[in-house]
Amino acid sequence: GNSVTQMEGPVTLSEEAFLTINCTYTATGYPSLFWYVQYPGEGLQLLLKATKADDKGSNKGFEATYRKETTSFHLEKGSVQVSDSAVYFCALNTRGYQKVTFGIGTKLQVIP
Amino acid sequence: GAVVSQHPSWVICKSGTSVKIECRSLDFQATTMFWYRQFPKQSLMLMATSNEGSKATYEQGVEKDKFLINHASLTLSTLTVTSAHPEDSSFYICSARGDRATNEKLFFGSGTQLSVL
Repeated sequence: GNSVTQMEGPVTLSEEAFLTINCTYTATGYPSLFWYVQYPGEGLQLLLKATKADDKGSNKGFEATYRKETTSFHLEKGSVQVSDSAVYFCALNTRGYQKVTFGIGTKLQVIP
Repeated sequence: GAVVSQHPSWVICKSGTSVKIECRSLDFQATTMFWYRQFPKQSLMLMATSNEGSKATYEQGVEKDKFLINHASLTLSTLTVTSAHPEDSSFYICSARGDRATNEKLFFGSGTQLSVL
């Protein structure tokens, strides 16, 4: 079956630090990969996605590259801000299959 | 943009009582809604998929008689935890699949933290 392994948090960084949140997956078929973000008191929002190998998803300064050879989709940002404090979920679904498999979520706290 | 409203955001109840959680799609129609549960330090786990006007499809291991799902309209789905017990304490979150106007994306509610005493 499908599964997503994501680093446990919380991750605490100073403002302007570099961020990496690791995510690896196992899946049957050819999955699409996602990062969702949940800000305090809000629902999950799609942050970025990649649908095939070597695709790079990007949004709001965040990037993640679909690495089929390492089955990874690590989230990176060069310079985090306090407003990036949230919980980040790595996820996948298999084409034509409407269920989404999530990782456990990583809480990021950025301090001034 | 499209919003999914879920409430209550948190609820405390006594063991043996029932709790209803509502999930509403605002400004769009959701033919399909999903209910997830997350225990501490675990992934969001899909509990069931509901399509408007039909019975929900439950994932393996989820008791349909305990977790009643009603998707009576294109904008509302409810999850009722019947005869709740402390082991049902968890974070419940719904999501709705938008229509073609919203590119059929998934939109999530903000979740409900249930604590059963």
